[in-house]
Amino acid sequence: DVKVTQSSRYLVKRTGEKVFLECVQDMDHENMFWYRQDPGLGLRLIYFSYDVKMKEKGDIPEGYSVSREKKERFSLILESASTNQTSMYLCASSSKTRTGELFFGEGSRLTVL
Amino acid sequence: AQSVTQPDIHITVSEGASLELRCNYSYGATPYLFWYVQSPGQGLQLLLKYFSGDTLVQGIKGFEAEFKRSQSSFNLRKPSVHWSDAAEYFCAVGAGNTDKLIFGTGTRLQVFP
Repeated sequence: DVKVTQSSRYLVKRTGEKVFLECVQDMDHENMFWYRQDPGLGLRLIYFSYDVKMKEKGDIPEGYSVSREKKERFSLILESASTNQTSMYLCASSSKTRTGELFFGEGSRLTVL
Repeated sequence: AQSVTQPDIHITVSEGASLELRCNYSYGATPYLFWYVQSPGQGLQLLLKYFSGDTLVQGIKGFEAEFKRSQSSFNLRKPSVHWSDAAEYFCAVGAGNTDKLIFGTGTRLQVFP
């Protein structure tokens, strides 16, 4: 069964802490994405990557960075967490040959106190 | 700029009743259109997609959607809803050469027995 795995389902962090959210996919997909999901706002794209070591900003990249050192792994980094980054974070991957068919992880719910 | 509007935040139906979830999009060219479903505590799963051709597309779990260019709509339908269909539904639009999807704000479906 194909899978996108997010390492942490629930995290609680303090303001100013550095936060790492990890995502691993086992489908050999070229594309990986990080979305943020908030009630009433739907999903908003933070960053995406079309290849190893490649990244592009999405619609809301401020306060975030990403890393893709290996094809299967895409990390989201909050350099200095703030309370307005409390949210559900969703990782997704897709094959470049099947446009739009994203495979999602179960999400990481981050609370910043 | 691309955008997606889901005018209904929350819909309640009885089990066995028919269902229609509305989606309107804004895009200059022929869009790629998608419906995703998110069950409680889960990531998103692709229900169906429209790229071109027949404007009525069939998806998984008995869902279908119809692309109407004149109305800029891509409404999701199901003739008879099951209790297991209770979830949040997201419409999304994408450009032709990228997997960068723009998601709507979602419609939460509640099903009463």
